[in-house]
This record gives sequence, C-alpha cells and structure tokens, in this order.
Amino acid sequence: KNEVEQSPQNLTAQEGEFITINCSYSVGISALHWLQQHPGGGIVSLFMLSSGKKKHGRLIATINIQEKHSSLHITASHPRDSAVYICAVLETSGSRLTFGEGTQLTVNP
Amino acid sequence: DGGITQSPKYLFRKEGQNVTLSCEQNLNHDAMYWYRQDPGQGLRLIYYSQIVNDFQKGDIAEGYSVSREKKESFPLTVTSAQKNPTAFYLCASSNNLLGRYSNQPQHFGDGTRLSIL
Repeated sequence: KNEVEQSPQNLTAQEGEFITINCSYSVGISALHWLQQHPGGGIVSLFMLSSGKKKHGRLIATINIQEKHSSLHITASHPRDSAVYICAVLETSGSRLTFGEGTQLTVNP
Repeated sequence: DGGITQSPKYLFRKEGQNVTLSCEQNLNHDAMYWYRQDPGQGLRLIYYSQIVNDFQKGDIAEGYSVSREKKESFPLTVTSAQKNPTAFYLCASSNNLLGRYSNQPQHFGDGTRLSIL
C-alpha cells in the first residue's frame, strides 16, 4: 500500500462543475502539498498546508490531520483546469516529499 | 523572472552512453532535488543537495550521479549502469531543505524526457 493514496485516478467533468480530488496518507506529516502538472510536464505548486483550509481563486484545499486526509476542490471548473493534480506529504521526521500517483482531470467545454 | 531551467526538453541515449541533464535555478535556493516520474507512479527522489559541494542519495540513486559545484546548478548524469533510464526527469529547488522549515514550497522545472535509441 502506498503511503499516499489519491482518488479518483481519473476524473472527467463538464465545464462549470464542482470538482473534488481526495488524498489520504498513512504517516505523520508536517505539511501536505498540492501540485498541478500541465500536459507539457511542468509542475506548479498550488498549496502547502499543515492544518485547516486555504483558498486561492477557484481552488480550495482542506486538510484533516486527525483523519490523515486532504481534499482539493475546484469551483466552477474550466477546460484550462485540465491537468494532473498531485498530492505530496512531508513526513514529520523527514526532509523529502512522498508523492501520490496523481489524478488526471479533464474538463470538457 | 526567477525560476528553474531544465535542458534539454527531450534527450535520447544510446546503449552504453552517459548523458547529463542540466538544471539551473536563479531563485537563490539552497536546496535542489532530482525526481524521476514514470507512468502510473508518483515522483521518486533520485538525489538531493542541501548546500554547495554536498548531496545525498534519494530512494532510487543507483545508476545516477550528480554534482553541486555552484549554488545555482545541479546537473544529473544518467550513467550506462541505469538499465531503465526512459522516464521524465524533474528538477526542483526550495529555499531550505524540506523539513527544516515546514513552510517551504518546492519550485519545479519543466522537465526533461529521456528516451533510449
């Protein structure tokens, strides 16, 4: 079992829909990252959080430390949101990230 | 604009050949990282460096080598000992080594796709 599990693996939505991507982890962490990988391969850091909730534009990330679970929400989805979304955790005692396999999101017009 | 530049974008390797992937950053970051990405798998850490002239093996260092002679540069050499080098390679950097300060994001380059001829 991977230390970081994402669901779903693939997600197809219609423009305007509310999107939720989930991330569960099995280790103690000091921070969790949400990343976006564009079709060309480049990766952008979206959020880094250790508690509560963060919002940036149409993106919202939440984390529940007790349940070892985080969600990434996209409101009013748009075709330009189509990308792979990756969850990564920084273990409490570590200095490296452990990555989930990613969720491929496709938003159709 | 500050960022990470990886080159080349595409690279082909012949059997028995060593190839070097370039990674340069102008963010003045101390820590740099190399990751490998394979289809259906999460990114895996190859090597990382906290400071100039120092680097540590990650989870899959066999068949790879690195150097950190300058703060802004962290080249990765894929040696002939790496029997399955076809993958997407990503370089990243952060202001401090992750874990020391938990609020440090990582910045990523656009990647190099390596294939075997």
